Amino acid sequence: EAQVTQNPRYLITVTGKKLTVTCSQNMNHEYMSWYRQDPGLGLRQIYYSMNVEVTDKGDVPEGYKVSRKEKRNFPLILESPSPNQTSLYFCASSFGPRDEFYFGAGTRLSVL
Amino acid sequence: KQEVTQIPAALSVPEGENLVLNCSFTDSAIYNLQWFRQDPGKGLTSLLLIQSSQREQTSGRLNASLDKSSGRSTLYIAASQPGDSATYLCAVLNDYKLSFGAGTTVTVRA
Repeated sequence: EAQVTQNPRYLITVTGKKLTVTCSQNMNHEYMSWYRQDPGLGLRQIYYSMNVEVTDKGDVPEGYKVSRKEKRNFPLILESPSPNQTSLYFCASSFGPRDEFYFGAGTRLSVL
Repeated sequence: KQEVTQIPAALSVPEGENLVLNCSFTDSAIYNLQWFRQDPGKGLTSLLLIQSSQREQTSGRLNASLDKSSGRSTLYIAASQPGDSATYLCAVLNDYKLSFGAGTTVTVRA
């Protein structure tokens, strides 16, 4: 089944404790991206990747890192999480940056 | 900066009624427009994709139109069912990212 898989689905952590949210897709998509969803602010892009080893900032990249060492994986790294990063995070992928986007089920993160 | 607006913010209808959801965007230089469905606490499910060169797209009871020059799209859902209750998001693609509206939350009463 074609899908975008995120792990974990739920995470509670404390300020400053490094964490990684994984994202994997099995559709051989070249383009992947991360979004966060907050009440009243909607969905905003954090980072995107056009292909392996090619990444770029979205609208709200502060406090996040990404890497794209393999085509199928695009992890989101929070090196020193803060409470304002409490949010619902979505990973998305598509064949190219102008094609249909497919989203993962989301990761709900709480930073205490 | 692309701004996407969805009206109304919420909608409650009796089962069987047709739904009309509106989306407007400020920058008409888009590659495509996607309509998504989001259930509470869940991910986004793609409903329809309209390329910038297309005027409409249909899938089952769903029909979406696009008027790129005026910056508008409309999603029609025919003969609504309680299972259609969800938040519907409109998103436009340009500059390698999707810009989302805030969504329309639909409740279909049995």
